[in-house]
Amino acid sequence: GQQLNQSPQSMFIQEGEDVSMNCTSSSIFNTWLWYKQEPGEGPVLLIALYKAGELTSNGRLTAQFGITRKDSFLNISASIPSDVGIYFCAGPSIDFGNEKLTFGTGTRLTIIP
Amino acid sequence: ETGVTQTPRHLVMGMTNKKSLKCEQHLGHNAMYWYKQSAKKPLELMFVYNFKEQTENNSVPSRFSPECPNSSHLFLHLHTLQPEDSALYLCASSHQRYNEQFFGPGTRLTVL
Repeated sequence: GQQLNQSPQSMFIQEGEDVSMNCTSSSIFNTWLWYKQEPGEGPVLLIALYKAGELTSNGRLTAQFGITRKDSFLNISASIPSDVGIYFCAGPSIDFGNEKLTFGTGTRLTIIP
Repeated sequence: ETGVTQTPRHLVMGMTNKKSLKCEQHLGHNAMYWYKQSAKKPLELMFVYNFKEQTENNSVPSRFSPECPNSSHLFLHLHTLQPEDSALYLCASSHQRYNEQFFGPGTRLTVL
């Protein structure tokens, strides 16, 4: 079935630094979604992308839909302590004839004071 | 009222107990989902309901029984669970099946 690989798996950065992470697939996606999950909570939708090449911002977050439609990128500028969490990419896909929302493996972000 | 609510937030149950998880969405969505999230594993889709009809059951054991009485409410009935069923159970909803999904806070389930 479809797989989404996220890189890096974890990041340890200092407050104020910029963050970059990506999500890659072996097949084409028509939509890319980025979620953030904090401990003990459900994932929260951050950004949705619908067109190849699209660049969308949400505050300090910027996400891009890769031209090949097989990847997407999420950047966080000037990180702050509340950015801590696990970031997931996701996209609708067809798996053995069934539609599903495939989630990536996640990037865990830790901020060092 | 927040978009998707789940109760209870935490549940501890024995293997012989019967309990139910509740999810309610206030977003006017037509599709609702149950996911299981275990430590260090990707989200696992369990069930999908679209306009109250179950459209997908991802080979989930029969000890998990979903119920969707209307488009706003979703239940997960639990009975004779196993310790390996301990996980965070997440409910989500979307306007259309499989587009942007909005998640509830989850129920942290511990089976003793």
